[in-house]
Amino acid sequence: DGGITQSPKYLFRKEGQNVTLSCEQNLNHDAMYWYRQDPGQGLRLIYYSQIVNDFQKGDIAEGYSVSREKKESFPLTVTSAQKNPTAFYLCASSSFSGPSYNEQFFGPGTRLTVL
Amino acid sequence: QQQVKQSPQSLIVQKGGISIINCAYENTAFDYFPWYQQFPGKGPALLIAIRPDVSEKKEGRFTISFNKSAKQFSLHIMDSQPGDSATYFCAASNGRDDKIIFGKGTRLHILP
Repeated sequence: DGGITQSPKYLFRKEGQNVTLSCEQNLNHDAMYWYRQDPGQGLRLIYYSQIVNDFQKGDIAEGYSVSREKKESFPLTVTSAQKNPTAFYLCASSSFSGPSYNEQFFGPGTRLTVL
Repeated sequence: QQQVKQSPQSLIVQKGGISIINCAYENTAFDYFPWYQQFPGKGPALLIAIRPDVSEKKEGRFTISFNKSAKQFSLHIMDSQPGDSATYFCAASNGRDDKIIFGKGTRLHILP
């Protein structure tokens, strides 16, 4: 089955700890994205990557870091510098060509809670 | 210029009724307008999308109406069903940019 997987589904973090959220896709998509979702806030873009070894900041990149060493993988690290990290995190991917051009496919999300 | 404004924030509709969600944008470079549906605890999924060369697109009970001059587009759900209860996001993008700008979402509840 083609799709996007995110792990873990639930993640608990103590204050001051860094945590890494996993995102993998087997859709052969070029671009990958990380969003943060808070109640009533919609989807806010954290980082995105259009090609391997390159990525750009989104609207709320402070306190987050990413890497894109492989086309299929785009992990997100929530650092201790992120002041309010409790949220639902969504990964997405899209293709630059074909009938699904521009369509973003989303993973099932990771709910991060800071204790 | 990059915002997409969505209304209402929440909507309650009787089963069998028509649900209408509206969105407005400023950036005339946007050329792709998707609607996403999200169930609680799940990721959003594309519901229907339109490009500005047409004024309406229909897929089953879901219709997008697009008014290019007013820079507005809306989602109509005909014969709304309890299974349609979800959060709906409108969005817009400039194809050259690949980023999608999302509205803040509408929580739709269909009364049985």
